[in-house]
Amino acid sequence: KQEVTQIPAALSVPEGENLVLNCSFTDSAIYNLQWFRQDPGKGLTSLLLIQSSQREQTSGRLNASLDKSSGRSTLYIAASQPGDSATYLCAVVPSNTGKLIFGQGTTLQVKP
Amino acid sequence: DAGVTQSPTHLIKTRGQQVTLRCSPISGHKSVSWYQQVLGQGPQFIFQYYEKEERGRGNFPDRFSARQFPNYSSELNVNALLLGDSALYLCASSRRQTNSNQPQHFGDGTRLSIL
Repeated sequence: KQEVTQIPAALSVPEGENLVLNCSFTDSAIYNLQWFRQDPGKGLTSLLLIQSSQREQTSGRLNASLDKSSGRSTLYIAASQPGDSATYLCAVVPSNTGKLIFGQGTTLQVKP
Repeated sequence: DAGVTQSPTHLIKTRGQQVTLRCSPISGHKSVSWYQQVLGQGPQFIFQYYEKEERGRGNFPDRFSARQFPNYSSELNVNALLLGDSALYLCASSRRQTNSNQPQHFGDGTRLSIL
């Protein structure tokens, strides 16, 4: 059974700091891995999608990496801003299904 | 283009009642999935529909059912509501099934509260 874990559950950093969010999954048989952002009371916004054959994806100040063999992904946020404050969710699509399996998320607070 | 729209935004029901939640996907998207998100947790998969057929079902009781219409919009029905059904219900759409490397686009959800 695929399980996704995100550590830490919460993180508070000063503005301008570079930071890394961690995601681990138990079964390496995945189709892709996606990172989402969720603002309070809102839906999910897709940030990055990494296909199983890829090692990383970049969008602006965000960089996500994927190591299938070790069951790990990281989301790197450069030069953090207060507007980056949100909950970040990692999700995998197992190879034999069409569903997303989510971690519990990391709630990030960036202080001015 | 409009994003994924869900209605209603908020709903209050009592135990034992029935509820219908609605979702309109992004134009051109043929796949719709439903997720339940309990406060403080990640979303849990309920159903996926593609081309009006059920393509996946999560570990939810038979009280939960869904359907997809010819215009690709979808409804989620929950019967005999329990207190534990209180959650944010999210709808996601994509051009194809989720195992096609197409990103999922989520709506803002329906907040369901059971009294």
